Amino acid sequence: EAQVTQNPRYLITVTGKKLTVTCSQNMNHEYMSWYRQDPGLGLRQIYYSMNVEVTDKGDVPEGYKVSRKEKRNFPLILESPSPNQTSLYFCASSLSTAGDYGYTFGSGTRLTVV
Amino acid sequence: AQSVTQLDSQVPVFEEAPVELRCNYSSSVSVYLFWYVQYPNQGLQLLLKYLSGSTLVKGINGFEAEFNKSQTSFHLRKPSVHISDTAEYFCAVSDLGGGATNKLIFGTGTLLAVQP
Repeated sequence: EAQVTQNPRYLITVTGKKLTVTCSQNMNHEYMSWYRQDPGLGLRQIYYSMNVEVTDKGDVPEGYKVSRKEKRNFPLILESPSPNQTSLYFCASSLSTAGDYGYTFGSGTRLTVV
Repeated sequence: AQSVTQLDSQVPVFEEAPVELRCNYSSSVSVYLFWYVQYPNQGLQLLLKYLSGSTLVKGINGFEAEFNKSQTSFHLRKPSVHISDTAEYFCAVSDLGGGATNKLIFGTGTLLAVQP
């Protein structure tokens, strides 16, 4: 089944403890991206990747890191999480980098930082 | 800069009634437009998209949307809703300008609450 897989689905952590949210897609998509969803704000892009080893900042990149060493994987790293990073995170991928294909989304990771 | 406005944060409607979810966008260049649906505890699923051509586009689950360039709108409609349509709906835009990054800009979402 074609899908984007995120892990974990739920995570509670403490301030300052480094964590990684994994994202993997099995569709050979070029484009991958991370978004966070907050009530009343919709989805905001954190980082994106147009291809392997090519990543760039989205609208809210502060406090996050990403890497794209392989086409299928795009992990999101929080080096020192803070409570304002409590949110619902989505990984997405797209066959096209031209904006016409739309995204396939993962099921989300609900992160709570205390 | 692009933006997407979904004026209605919540739309209550009775089962089998018609519904329209409103979406307006602003962009200085041509755009692609999308509607996504998010069911509770799930990721977003693509409902439909407008790229070019006919301004009326049909999607899954009986939904359709109409692109209106003069009003910069892309409203979503369904003639008769079901309880199972209860979900949050997001409008999104992708610009075609120079240096485009395939980024989707999302609205803040509209919760469709279908009541029996």
